[in-house]
Amino acid sequence: KAGVTQTPRYLIKTRGQQVTLSCSPISGHRSVSWYQQTPGQGLQFLFEYFSETQRNKGNFPGRFSGRQFSNSRSEMNVSTLELGDSALYLCASSLNAGQDPYEQYFGPGTRLTVT
Amino acid sequence: SQQGEEDPQALSIQEGENATMNCSYKTSINNLQWYRQNSGRGLVHLILIRSNEREKHSGRLRVTLDTSKKSSSLLITASRAADTASYFCATISYNQGGKLIFGQGTELSVKP
Repeated sequence: KAGVTQTPRYLIKTRGQQVTLSCSPISGHRSVSWYQQTPGQGLQFLFEYFSETQRNKGNFPGRFSGRQFSNSRSEMNVSTLELGDSALYLCASSLNAGQDPYEQYFGPGTRLTVT
Repeated sequence: SQQGEEDPQALSIQEGENATMNCSYKTSINNLQWYRQNSGRGLVHLILIRSNEREKHSGRLRVTLDTSKKSSSLLITASRAADTASYFCATISYNQGGKLIFGQGTELSVKP
């Protein structure tokens, strides 16, 4: 099976712009989670989608949003970018959501740099 | 917010030595998982231990869980240079939202 794929891998944006990141989960996986990783804050949970519905959300401002399509592919959007949004954005898929064993499979990440 | 704290933050050992990393958490959990991350890449799932288990093995990995102390340890035996990576513990509690919460990680360096 192909692993989790994320596009693009690298992105440079300017403050105030918006950005959309894409994630394709492992075939058959219905849950997609997004994380932000920075040196200072570590791995922070953004949100999780399951069957096109957001089932969990972290403590991020409304500028961060996401959605999931019927084929389980997911996108996250960040509007009005700030310098502090520079980070590695990781997507993870799992077969189920909130049920044992809930193992997550991560993509390679999208490295976003905001200048 | 982070659930767990990992100790040490960084560990440097020689090839062939054992590496032990510890993780402490704050709330009750259903399971605890360990992940590895190589230099700014995605995380790789290593092992899962359920709250009713005390020890689990997978190859050169040994994980212990002490729910009374809310702590876990990951032991990598006979380490190799290829084990150089960051290691994260993550906990999940299904009756508290059912999302994985990661610790800050331990950066392991194995010198050849």
